[in-house]
Amino acid sequence: DVQLLESGGGLVQPGGSLRLSCAASGFTFSSHAMTWVRQAPGTGLEWVAGIATSGGNTYYAASVEGRFTITRDNSKNTMYLQMSSLRGEDTATYFCARWGGVIPLVHPIDYWGQGTLVTVSS
Amino acid sequence: DIQMTQSPSSLSAFVGDRVTITCRASQGISSYLAWYQQKPGKAPKLLIYAASTLQAGVPSRFSGGGSGTDFTLTISSLQPEDVATYYCQKYNSAPQMFGQGTKVEIK
Repeated sequence: DVQLLESGGGLVQPGGSLRLSCAASGFTFSSHAMTWVRQAPGTGLEWVAGIATSGGNTYYAASVEGRFTITRDNSKNTMYLQMSSLRGEDTATYFCARWGGVIPLVHPIDYWGQGTLVTVSS
Repeated sequence: DIQMTQSPSSLSAFVGDRVTITCRASQGISSYLAWYQQKPGKAPKLLIYAASTLQAGVPSRFSGGGSGTDFTLTISSLQPEDVATYYCQKYNSAPQMFGQGTKVEIK
C-alpha cells in the first residue's frame, strides 16, 4: 500500500525555520512527481510546492516562493520542505502528496499523507 | 493565475437526494479538473479526475462532468457517509488552485 508519512512539524517563532520530511513507501518513489499542500485551521486547501521526479525542476506558490525550498532524496524515498522566514499565516497542517504520474503539475493528487501541523507563534 | 470558484459553499440535503456542486474556472482548463472529498480531521481523498473519470474504489453514485470552465460534481443518492467538504482543483499548470470548498451535510 502507498504510504506517505510526514514529520517535523511543531511550534516555531515568527522569522524562524523548520524542515518537514515525508517518508514514502509502497511505490516506486523515483517514478512520481511529489507535492506539498497545506490547510490553515478551519480553511481550505492551498497548494504550496511541487518537485519533479529527479528533483531538477521545482514549483512554488507565490505565497512561499523565496522562503520555502522543496527537495527530494530518491535514495531515501524522502521528500523535504525547508521553510524559513516563517510567518503567522504559514500556520497550517502540511500534507505530503503524490502526483499521479512522472510529469509534475499535469496529474491529480492520488495519495495524501495524514499531515503535520506547523504553528508559527511567539 | 486561474481562480477556481465553487458553489454553493455549503448545502444540506436529505439522505437519498441528488446533490450537485459546481466549480468554475476563470480561464479554460480543458479537462484538467479533479474533485476531492475531505472528512473532518482526515486527509483529502481523490474522487474524480480528468473532470469525469471515477478514481478506483469510489462509489458509482459520484460522477463528474464539464470541460473548459464549468464543471460539476454530482452525488446521485446522498448517503450519511458522504458528509464531508468537497474541493475542486485545476491541475494543468502552476499554481495548482483549489476551490474554496463545499460543505455537505445531512438534513
